[in-house]
Amino acid sequence: RKEVEQDPGPFNVPEGATVAFNCTYSNSASQSFFWYRQDCRKEPKLLMSVYSSGNEDGRFTAQLNRASQYISLLIRDSKLSDSATYLCAMSGGYQKVTFGTGTKLQVIP
Amino acid sequence: DTAVSQTPKYLVTQMGNDKSIKCEQNLGHDTMYWYKQDSKKFLKIMFSYNNKELIINETVPNRFSPKSPDKAHLNLHINSLELGDSAVYFCASSLASGSYNEQFFGPGTRLTVL
Repeated sequence: RKEVEQDPGPFNVPEGATVAFNCTYSNSASQSFFWYRQDCRKEPKLLMSVYSSGNEDGRFTAQLNRASQYISLLIRDSKLSDSATYLCAMSGGYQKVTFGTGTKLQVIP
Repeated sequence: DTAVSQTPKYLVTQMGNDKSIKCEQNLGHDTMYWYKQDSKKFLKIMFSYNNKELIINETVPNRFSPKSPDKAHLNLHINSLELGDSAVYFCASSLASGSYNEQFFGPGTRLTVL
């Protein structure tokens, strides 16, 4: 089993839709969780950290479920500019961050 | 005022050659990383340095040798390049302290081995 697994997609959604991605992890010792966004031919950039209590940043909501070992990202009111690949990532210590392979989102006009 | 910069941005070379990629960060971070992103977009850590000391060395062929002359620089030298080395190599940096440390990535070096 891979350390971090994501559905590669693509998720094709109309503008204004709500879309959710999950990411499962196998290492129960993982301590820190993140969602990164990567545009085509660009570097990954941190979208948001995922805290135990869940957190929200505008249209984006991240949740952590330690019991089932997954994190989720919800995007409300999708914009064309949200089209990108979303990478989940987690750290178990020593600053080693393990990334998922990413979920591709395409928002359609 | 680029935060993490890498050179070169593109590198096309023949099999068997030796090449280097340079990385510099001006964020005052104490930890730097090299990642490899292959054609399937899998981003895998290769090395990590903290205050010039190697702290992560994943299973990487010893043809790859990182060097950190100071906290702000982490270079990657690759000997005897192979076709399978073709990928995008990202440098990143972060602060070591605390657990929720954002990693800032450089723009990547797209390496093509012919």
